[in-house]
Amino acid sequence: AQSVTQLGSHVSVSEGALVLLRCNYSSSVPPYLFWYVQYPNQGLQLLLKYTSAATLVKGINGFEAEFKKSETSFHLTKPSAHMSDAAEYFCAVSDEAGGGADGLTFGKGTHLIIQP
Amino acid sequence: NAGVTQTPKFQVLKTGQSMTLQCAQDMNHNSMYWYRQDPGMGLRLIYYSASEGTTDKGEVPNGYNVSRLNKREFSLRLESAAPSQTSVYFCASRRLGGPSGANVLTFGAGSRLTVL
Repeated sequence: AQSVTQLGSHVSVSEGALVLLRCNYSSSVPPYLFWYVQYPNQGLQLLLKYTSAATLVKGINGFEAEFKKSETSFHLTKPSAHMSDAAEYFCAVSDEAGGGADGLTFGKGTHLIIQP
Repeated sequence: NAGVTQTPKFQVLKTGQSMTLQCAQDMNHNSMYWYRQDPGMGLRLIYYSASEGTTDKGEVPNGYNVSRLNKREFSLRLESAAPSQTSVYFCASRRLGGPSGANVLTFGAGSRLTVL
């Protein structure tokens, strides 16, 4: 069974500061990993995904994430936070086996707060 | 615009009433999903349909039924609503093929349901 743990239900950073949102996964097979963002009263949008092509993945809006197999981590970073980054962020995992038809397993989410 | 459309966006029910949430996608995706989102719980899979004519239970199926009406449409029914089903419901779809775990989920905007 696969699972995702997001450390910190709320993270607060100042505008212009580094954003670091932590995600650790558990999977018995090589995983596919995703970060989604949810702005208030909206659905989820894909930020980036890891599919084994490269360990450092760049996404939209200046975000990137690094897959570290030894640490079973897929932390999300952005060098300089903008007010518009305030949102809920979800890490998710899918395994290769079974065709992935049963969807993704999501973490509980991290609410990112940007202080002016 | 291509995507996933959910109706209704908002609904208030009394305990014991029934209702159906509708979902349609126009991306010719094979798989469709229903998730519920609750504070501090992330997204949890209710039911999914890997292809037209098939449906399977997810993590939290009790109290729900689904119908994959055709390739485009996947509905979620609450036969006798309970306050515990107060939540935001998201429909999603995904193309399957190749390394399907890498195929991205596309989400609808959500349906906010309150059961009194």
